[in-house]
Amino acid sequence: KNQVEQSPQSLIILEGKNCTLQCNYTVSPFSNLRWYKQDTGRGPVSLTIMTFSENTKSNGRYTATLDADTKQSSLHITASQLSDSASYICVVSAVASGTYKYIFGTGTRLKVLA
Amino acid sequence: GAVVSQHPSRVICKSGTSVKIECRSLDFQATTMFWYRQFPKQSLMLMATSNEGSKATYEQGVEKDKFLINHASLTLSTLTVTSAHPEDSSFYICSAWGGAAAGYTFGSGTRLTVV
Repeated sequence: KNQVEQSPQSLIILEGKNCTLQCNYTVSPFSNLRWYKQDTGRGPVSLTIMTFSENTKSNGRYTATLDADTKQSSLHITASQLSDSASYICVVSAVASGTYKYIFGTGTRLKVLA
Repeated sequence: GAVVSQHPSRVICKSGTSVKIECRSLDFQATTMFWYRQFPKQSLMLMATSNEGSKATYEQGVEKDKFLINHASLTLSTLTVTSAHPEDSSFYICSAWGGAAAGYTFGSGTRLTVV
């Protein structure tokens, strides 16, 4: 069964601190993995995309890693800012016979405090 | 980059009325669009896949007669919530595949409140 699990469910950190969010998946056949940031009341916005052969990808203060062998990904946020408070969603896509299927994680709610 | 526009962003309607939500791909064509529903503090739940020129595919448990989807062009899909009830109050989001670079691009969402 295709599943994407994220941890922790919620996280509170102080401004300026770093944090790491986890995403474990059992999706096959794997196509790619994306991390999205969703501000409250807004649609998700893509942060990074990782394909099978990529191990690390950065977007500013966001760094995503992918271990295709263990089927794990992480999103590291450096020097957190108040504006990083949001939900972070891991989405894994599988492709079979030319049809894409997207499996969403339940998200991690991050709150950054001043 | 690929942009998906969704309108309205907020709507309040009376119980029993119908509400239409529009989802437009602004700078690309989308043969397939997706409609999601999201309850507070929960993840997105896929409701249906909207296919241009054909019937939408609904997820199990989603009433197709209540949530009418029309995808009449390559840039526009609409979701109509018919005979809305307070339990239909939720956050509705559409998305479309915007290409390899943009990926799965989401609209900004519609907050529906049925009173």
